[in-house]
Amino acid sequence: NADVTQTPKFRILKIGQSMTLQCTQDMNHNYMYWYRQDPGMGLKLIYYSVGAGITDKGEVPNGYNVSRSTTEDFPLRLELAAPSQTSVYFCASTDAVSVDTQYFGPGTRLTVL
Amino acid sequence: AQSVTQLGSHVSVSEGALVLLRCNYSSSVPPYLFWYVQYPNQGLQLLLKYTTGATLVKGINGFEAEFKKSETSFHLTKPSAHMSDAAEYFCAVSEADTGFQKLVFGTGTRLLVSP
Repeated sequence: NADVTQTPKFRILKIGQSMTLQCTQDMNHNYMYWYRQDPGMGLKLIYYSVGAGITDKGEVPNGYNVSRSTTEDFPLRLELAAPSQTSVYFCASTDAVSVDTQYFGPGTRLTVL
Repeated sequence: AQSVTQLGSHVSVSEGALVLLRCNYSSSVPPYLFWYVQYPNQGLQLLLKYTTGATLVKGINGFEAEFKKSETSFHLTKPSAHMSDAAEYFCAVSEADTGFQKLVFGTGTRLLVSP
């Protein structure tokens, strides 16, 4: 089954802790994205990648880091968690041929206390 | 810069009634336009998209949307609402000539369907 998977589904962090949100896709897509979704705010792009080894900042990158060592994986790193990072995080991917449909993972709900 | 405005954070309809969710966009170049649906505790799923060609676009679950360039709109409609349509709907825009898709999303409209 073609899929975007995210782990964990839920996480509670204390201020200052760090964690990595995992994202994996099995569709051999070149393009991958990280979004955050805040209530009433829609989705905001955090980082994106056009292929292994290539990443770039989106609209709201502060406080986050990414890497893309393989086509399949695109982890998102929070180094020093802050309450403002409480949100739902979505990973998405799309292929190079049909760059107009993004496939989304189920999301990670993160709370920073 | 591109932007999307969705009028109404909540829309309530009765089962069997017409569904109309409004979306207006701003783009300096020909846009690609999308509607995504999000069911509770799930990721977003593509409902339909406009890229080029016919301005009336049909999607899944009986939804359709019409691209109106003169009105910079891409409203989503469904003739008869079903209880299973209750979800949050997002309109999104990306620039058609970048060769790489970066979506800008609206703030979403929650559709409530009553029996």
